[in-house]
Amino acid sequence: EAGVAQSPRYKIIEKRQSVAFWCNPISGHATLYWYQQILGQGPKLLIQFQNNGVVDDSQLPKDRFSAERLKGVDSTLKIQPAKLEDSAVYLCASSLEYRGPGTDTQYFGPGTRLTVL
Amino acid sequence: SQQGEEDPQALSIQEGENATMNCSYKTSINNLQWYRQNSGRGLVHLILIRSNEREKHSGRLRVTLDTSKKSSSLLITASRAADTASYFCATPGGSYIPTFGRGTSLIVHP
Repeated sequence: EAGVAQSPRYKIIEKRQSVAFWCNPISGHATLYWYQQILGQGPKLLIQFQNNGVVDDSQLPKDRFSAERLKGVDSTLKIQPAKLEDSAVYLCASSLEYRGPGTDTQYFGPGTRLTVL
Repeated sequence: SQQGEEDPQALSIQEGENATMNCSYKTSINNLQWYRQNSGRGLVHLILIRSNEREKHSGRLRVTLDTSKKSSSLLITASRAADTASYFCATPGGSYIPTFGRGTSLIVHP
């Protein structure tokens, strides 16, 4: 079974530029998550989708971050414009179904390491 | 806000020894999960323990949960160099957002 795919794996941009990340979840997984992991910290949830609807985006900085999952499969996360503090690894995860808050086993992709100069 | 917090922050042991790491959390939970993260493979789910369970085993892993103390422990027995990684506990936080702690960095020396 193929895992969660993410691209690119690495990205270096200058502040105020825009960047987009792509995620393809495990086939058949209805729930998709985007996390931000700053060096030395645990992952922090940015947004959670159930199919193509948003379950939670309370921790997404909506003035600069946006995410979509138009057909309930692939998802993109965009940052516009980027700030220095956005330097982090962006992780995508998926789970089979939404069985209730905090109960799903999540399968993570390898992440995209973003460096903002 | 941080829901789960792992302790210790770092742990260094010799191959063959046991490694124990702990997770404390603040609010009542319906389950707690442990994940491992190493540089090569990203985050991997290890085990989920529900609030009505006290102990769970998976291979060389043993997880306990004490809801009265709001704490959990992960024991890795007979550790191997390949167990070198960061270990995170994840709990449903505010609004049931899955929340990860800062992790325990484990180094197993061959």
